[in-house]
Amino acid sequence: DIQMTQTPSSMPASLGERVTISCRASQGISNYLNWYQQKPDGTIKPLIYYTSNLQSGVPSRFSGSGSGTDYSLTISSLEPEDFAMYYCQQYDSSTWTFGGGTKLELK
Amino acid sequence: QVQLKESGPGLVQPSQTLSLTCTVSGLSLTSNSVSWIRQPPGKGLEWMGVIWSNGGTDYNSAIKSRLSISRDTSKSQVFLKMNSLQTEDTAMYFCARTELGFDYWGQGVMVTVSS
Repeated sequence: DIQMTQTPSSMPASLGERVTISCRASQGISNYLNWYQQKPDGTIKPLIYYTSNLQSGVPSRFSGSGSGTDYSLTISSLEPEDFAMYYCQQYDSSTWTFGGGTKLELK
Repeated sequence: QVQLKESGPGLVQPSQTLSLTCTVSGLSLTSNSVSWIRQPPGKGLEWMGVIWSNGGTDYNSAIKSRLSISRDTSKSQVFLKMNSLQTEDTAMYFCARTELGFDYWGQGVMVTVSS
């Protein structure tokens, strides 16, 4: 099974700061990489699909990139509502795997 | 609009079987696939299994021997059954519409395994 390694596990950051979260797959995943945000109340929101495509309604300050085994999520300028958990997720051969998560915290 | 809602017992005894229901609205199960995903307290997300729009299923190899997913299309419901529960199965259980990712999620149902 493909393993997903997400870094960092936690990230203190300031309002207005640009941040990047990384995700590495144990083998190539052909851009089948999605990102999710989980708020403290547990609500999960899809952000990006197929590496770089924003889900409907997601602000343009979110962007995704990558290829092969290495992918990233960038938030260009942090807003108060962005402090949350973030997860990457890959799809391969009818199985899905999540990264371990990144907690984005207010510095 | 698309909605998914999980329901089931909040407490299950060790070694017993967990039964959960995901009731969907705004979509048809004959043209949409639904997965179960769980999250132990303070930990990350684990995909458990999927029931495809054609009724076929795929499961996480780590729990495949204990898990069964089925559906009732007339009631727009997807079911999860997992046997031989242990304390490490304590988690929030989510259902989600599934394509290459998960674009609609339920709010989740908390299940505690304890005697």
